[in-house]
Amino acid sequence: DGGITQSPKYLFRKEGQNVTLSCEQNLNHDAMYWYRQDPGQGLRLIYYSQIVNDFQKGDIAEGYSVSREKKESFPLTVTSAQKNPTAFYLCASSMVGTGVYEQYFGPGTRLTVT
Amino acid sequence: QKEVEQDPGPLSVPEGAIVSLNCTYSNSAFQYFMWYRQYSRKGPELLMYTYSSGNKEDGRFTAQVDKSSKYISLFIRDSQPSDSATYLCAMDDTGANSKLTFGKGITLSVRP
Repeated sequence: DGGITQSPKYLFRKEGQNVTLSCEQNLNHDAMYWYRQDPGQGLRLIYYSQIVNDFQKGDIAEGYSVSREKKESFPLTVTSAQKNPTAFYLCASSMVGTGVYEQYFGPGTRLTVT
Repeated sequence: QKEVEQDPGPLSVPEGAIVSLNCTYSNSAFQYFMWYRQYSRKGPELLMYTYSSGNKEDGRFTAQVDKSSKYISLFIRDSQPSDSATYLCAMDDTGANSKLTFGKGITLSVRP
């Protein structure tokens, strides 16, 4: 089955701890994205990567870090510097090129920090 | 003014109703317009996309873009309880799909 997997589905952490969210895709997509979704909010882009070993900040990158060592994987670390980390985190991937390419989303990870 | 504004909802309609969901935007460079559907506790999935102005129909769904008014709409005919979800509009100016700008989403409930 092709698709995007995110794990875990629910994650609980204490304030001050870093936490890493996993995202893996087997769609052979070049581009991968991390979004954050808060209640009543749209999706806000945290980081994106269009090629291995390269990534760009999105609109709300502060307090987050990513790596792209493999085409299939794009883990997101929520650091203790992120002031409001509790949210629903969505990973997506797409082909790259001119024109519209669908972004395929994973099932999301709900992070709760107390 | 936010780049993309979407009616906040929620919206509740009886089964069989025609539903109109709308977004306005301020960036005249946007050329690609998409509608995503998100069921509760799931990731969004692409429902429809259009390029530039015009209409696009797919079954019970019609997407409409009016670039002169910076206004896009999604119409759902003969709405079904299975259409109950959050609908997000999204836009892109480059076609490179690297930085979609999303609306906040509207939650639709279709009552049997």
